[in-house]
Amino acid sequence: GAGVSQSPSNKVTEKGKDVELRCDPISGHTALYWYRQSLGQGLEFLIYFQGNSAPDKSGLPSDRFSAERTGGSVSTLTIQRTQQEDSAVYLCASSTPSLAGGTYEQYFGPGTRLTVT
Amino acid sequence: EDQVTQSPEALRLQEGESSSLNCSYTVSGLRGLFWYRQDPGKGPEFLFTLYSAGEEKEKERLKATLTKKESFLHITAPKPEDSATYLCAVLPQVGGSYIPTFGRGTSLIVHP
Repeated sequence: GAGVSQSPSNKVTEKGKDVELRCDPISGHTALYWYRQSLGQGLEFLIYFQGNSAPDKSGLPSDRFSAERTGGSVSTLTIQRTQQEDSAVYLCASSTPSLAGGTYEQYFGPGTRLTVT
Repeated sequence: EDQVTQSPEALRLQEGESSSLNCSYTVSGLRGLFWYRQDPGKGPEFLFTLYSAGEEKEKERLKATLTKKESFLHITAPKPEDSATYLCAVLPQVGGSYIPTFGRGTSLIVHP
C-alpha cells in the first residue's frame, strides 16, 4: 500500500520568506508527527497530532513554526520568516497508537530538504 | 525525563564481521522500544518493536534483544548493504501521548 508521502522533496527559499511543507500520512493512521533532522544530528520532535485532540506543540522551536492537520489526514507545516538555521530535513511520520489492535511504530515519509539562503 | 543513548556513534566493519549496537534507555515505564534503519537521503524505516525484557526479534541478519535497561541490535555476518544509520527510540508507558524519544543513532559502514 501507499506509504507516507511528503512534498516538495526539496525546497530552496530566501531568508525571510514563508514556506509550506506538506505531508500525506498512511490512510487510516490517526497519529501524525513532524520532526526536523539537521545534518549529522538526531531527530528533533516538532509537533504531534492525534485524532481530533489538540495537537502537542511542545517541540516547536519558535512561534514562526505552525502546523495544521485537515480532516484528520493531510498536514501542512508552515515556517514563517525563514532563517538560515531553519535549513534541515523535515520528516513526517504516521502511526496507529490509539486504535484497537493498533501498534506504536512510526512510518516515515522521505522528507523535505529545506535550504534557506 | 526519558533518555536514549546509543553507542557507538559510528562503527566500521568488514563484510562478515559480526557485531552489536547498543541502546541504553531510561523511561518512566516502557510501552515499547523501536529500532529503525535510515539510509542517506531517506526517512527512517521501521525494523522492530520490543515490548518487554527478554523479548527478541529477528529479521535476516539482524536480531534485536531487550533488557530492563538496554537493547542490542546484533548484526550477524553483515553485508555492505547493511550500511546505514540505526536509530533506537522508546515510548513511555505513562499518559495518553504517544511521542517517542529517539537516540542519535549509530552510523554503520560495512566494507566489502
